[in-house]
Amino acid sequence: EVQLVESGGGLVQPGGSLRLSCAASGFTFSSYWMHWVRQPPGKGLMWISRINHDGTSTIHADSVKGRFTISRDNAKNTLYLQMISLRAEDTAVYYCTRDYDPGGIDYWGQGALVTVSS
Amino acid sequence: DIQMTQSPSSLSASVGDRITITCRAGQSINMYLNWYQHKPGKAPKLLIYTASSLQSGVPSRFTGSGSGTDFTLTITSLQPEDFATYFCLQSYIIPWTFGQGTKVEIK
Repeated sequence: EVQLVESGGGLVQPGGSLRLSCAASGFTFSSYWMHWVRQPPGKGLMWISRINHDGTSTIHADSVKGRFTISRDNAKNTLYLQMISLRAEDTAVYYCTRDYDPGGIDYWGQGALVTVSS
Repeated sequence: DIQMTQSPSSLSASVGDRITITCRAGQSINMYLNWYQHKPGKAPKLLIYTASSLQSGVPSRFTGSGSGTDFTLTITSLQPEDFATYFCLQSYIIPWTFGQGTKVEIK
């Protein structure tokens, strides 16, 4: 069974940093591209970042470029999202998701809440 | 960015009803449109991929159609477990973008 379990969320002050982790199991993690998606409270979903299967290629949404970094450790079956210079508008539930070859995303984690507030 | 306009934002329906949800893309996205079901506190679930392909294990009462800019998710004979939020995703061009979601409630 495919499982994606996010951790590392919490309350952080504006300007602070946080690193989210996503533990993957039930599939060959190193074979899949992965994405982060977020959903601010009461708002729609937003794609944030994508990483290829071996971590050599990444891309980020303009709104987080230069502040967020997606990475992975295939030996640990773990996806990461390093977030710096956090702003109130980064407050959201962050989802770890798996890329689906026909298109889009097939599996999602349950999400990790990040709250940026003083 | 490609804007995805999803409608309606919410609807009330009864068990056994047929419902339709639409997503319109701001430009052609070919067939790169997926539909998901999301229940509170749970991971979203893939229902339909590439506009009309039923994901393995998903009941056949869920159907998707469309191409280009206009897409539809239809649920025939709504079941109690189908009351949830549904959203679409375009994966034609990065940044991928989502519809705003449709909350399906019990009438």
